This record gives sequence, structure tokens and C-alpha cells, in this order.
Amino acid sequence: NAGVTQTPKFQVLKTGQSMTLQCAQDMNHEYMSWYRQDPGMGLRLIHYSVGAGITDQGEVPNGYNVSRSTTEDFPLRLLSAAPSQTSVYFCASRNRGGNQPQHFGDGTRLSIL
Amino acid sequence: AQKVTQAQTEISVVEKEDVTLDCVYETRDTTYYLFWYKQPPSGELVFLIRRNSFDEQNEISGRYSWNFQKSTSSFNFTITASQVVDSAVYFCALSEAYQAGTALIFGKGTTLSVSS
Repeated sequence: NAGVTQTPKFQVLKTGQSMTLQCAQDMNHEYMSWYRQDPGMGLRLIHYSVGAGITDQGEVPNGYNVSRSTTEDFPLRLLSAAPSQTSVYFCASRNRGGNQPQHFGDGTRLSIL
Repeated sequence: AQKVTQAQTEISVVEKEDVTLDCVYETRDTTYYLFWYKQPPSGELVFLIRRNSFDEQNEISGRYSWNFQKSTSSFNFTITASQVVDSAVYFCALSEAYQAGTALIFGKGTTLSVSS
């Protein structure tokens, strides 16, 4: 019953550092997404993938990279961390079909100093 | 363009009061899906309900009920006899059929505080 697993749960970085947020799902879902949650802003889409080898940008993609080499994994890379990227990051997956609910990971709380 | 508006930023009620959370959406698609998610203080996102655009039946699940009205583009959520455990941030979200490959469009959320 793992569902969507995100690591790490917490991370503190210095400005300019790079890092990768990991996301893995064991439900064989085709669709995976990354969101960021900021106070008063709801959840905003960063990048998404409709299958292995296919990714696309969401609403706020700048400063982030993704890749999807397998169905299970969808890592999010911060290239050069900035204080504006301090946020809570959620990974989600779902089955094919717009009516399918997203299954979310527990989130990664990231602070950039 | 697609948009979800939750006009109520914060609501405070006393236990056992009924409370309605409003959600208004905008979409150009004729087939779309609406969702409600709950985010308790622990931070995880919990799926509550999904509604298809072609099904306007209201739904009741225990103390929760949802009122979907296409004529007003609204999908409101009512909690009857609220409890302290209902304290959370509630998000309304929209998914469009023509963008089925993408993710959800979220409202900014309504923070519900239920005091005893």
C-alpha cells in the first residue's frame, strides 16, 4: 500500500545548490505531476508526464527540470535553488482519464536560505 | 480559460454548526470533472469526491454533501454538524476532458476552523 512515495520529507538548501526531489508510485499510473503549494496560492502545477519518456510544462516550470525514464519514477530537479523556490512540493499520479482522482504523496517541505 | 475560485479564504464555526464551502469554476469544455480534496493539519491531501459534468445529481456521504449546479458553474460542499476533526484546508479542483493528460486546476483553498 505504498501509493506515491516522496523523498525527502524535509530539506534545507543554500541558494545556488541543486538537488533532486524523488517521487515513485507503485500503482502503474501513466500520469504523474509535480505541484508546489505556497500560502494563499493553492497548488500550482510545475511539470507533468503522460507516460514514460513524455513530459511537459505546467503553470510554473521555471527553475525546474523533470524526466520520466520509467513508469514508476518522476524526479524533480532544482537546477540552482533560489529563495523563491521555498515551498511544499507534492507529487501526484493517476490513471488514464480526466475523471480519475490524483493520488498525492505526503509532500516535501523545502527551504532555500 | 479554466479557473477555480474559492472566494472564502477562512471560515470559523463552532462544533455542530453546518458550514458550506463555495466553489465556482470556469471552463470552455463541455466535458469536465470536479473534485474536492481535504488537507488536514498533518499536510497530506485526501481525495473526497469527484463529479462529472454530465451528472448533476447531488451527493451525500455521511455528514458531507455536495451540490453541483452547471447553471451557476458551482460545486459547493456542505458539512453538516461540523466536528473539530473537520478542521482543514479544503480545495476544489477542475480537470478538463480535452486536457485529460494534464493535471488538476486547483482553487486557492478554504481554511475551515471548527472550535469546540
